[in-house]
Amino acid sequence: DMKVTQMPRYLIKRMGENVLLECGQDMSHETMYWYRQDPGLGLQLIYISYDVDSNSEGDIPKGYRVSRKKREHFSLILDSAKTNQTSVYFCASSFHNSGNTLYFGEGSRLIVV
Amino acid sequence: LAKTTQPPSMEAYEGQEVNVSCSHTNIATSEYIYWYRQVPHQGPQFIIQGYKDYVVNEVASLFISADRKLSTLSLPWVSLRDAAVYYCIVTDLSLNNYAQGLTFGLGTRVSVFP
Repeated sequence: DMKVTQMPRYLIKRMGENVLLECGQDMSHETMYWYRQDPGLGLQLIYISYDVDSNSEGDIPKGYRVSRKKREHFSLILDSAKTNQTSVYFCASSFHNSGNTLYFGEGSRLIVV
Repeated sequence: LAKTTQPPSMEAYEGQEVNVSCSHTNIATSEYIYWYRQVPHQGPQFIIQGYKDYVVNEVASLFISADRKLSTLSLPWVSLRDAAVYYCIVTDLSLNNYAQGLTFGLGTRVSVFP
């Protein structure tokens, strides 16, 4: 069906709580990404995963970690969320050999209070 | 990687053609030009890519100047659904840079009026 699905779509957490954002894709893409988007800053790359258990830091990895135990699933974890992590988070995926054609999910809006 | 410059915003009425320009004066010979768009409350969506000359698909057309320093995304007969932020991205395919992800700037916000 060529889709990237993110859950949850909306989330409100208190500062210090743990956050789990989940992403799934049904295209057998090897590579998956997590971005965050803030007004005036555009999209910033947090982490990249090349395949199961093969992850690499993006431009702003501090405060985040990821997990990829299955090719079709990529999780973003915030241990002890901070208010400055309030943002919209986007997951994306691509084939290994066409890494510039990304398929994005609809985003997960996180508010940390 | 080449830096891109786009107008921050544009406006059009339904049915008009919209041309979004992108300047990439330092583009390298190994770099390609990609366009994405993002409608509200959704992630970016790939529109078109090109290296030189003219590329067309069912969504848009892309004109690239002879020196490759300027590209123009053309949206014929825009509708309200075309209101979005349009991103021009220049990136290198030659070094397997899939590992680096794509760098999105602030793009061009296209507003469409009925």
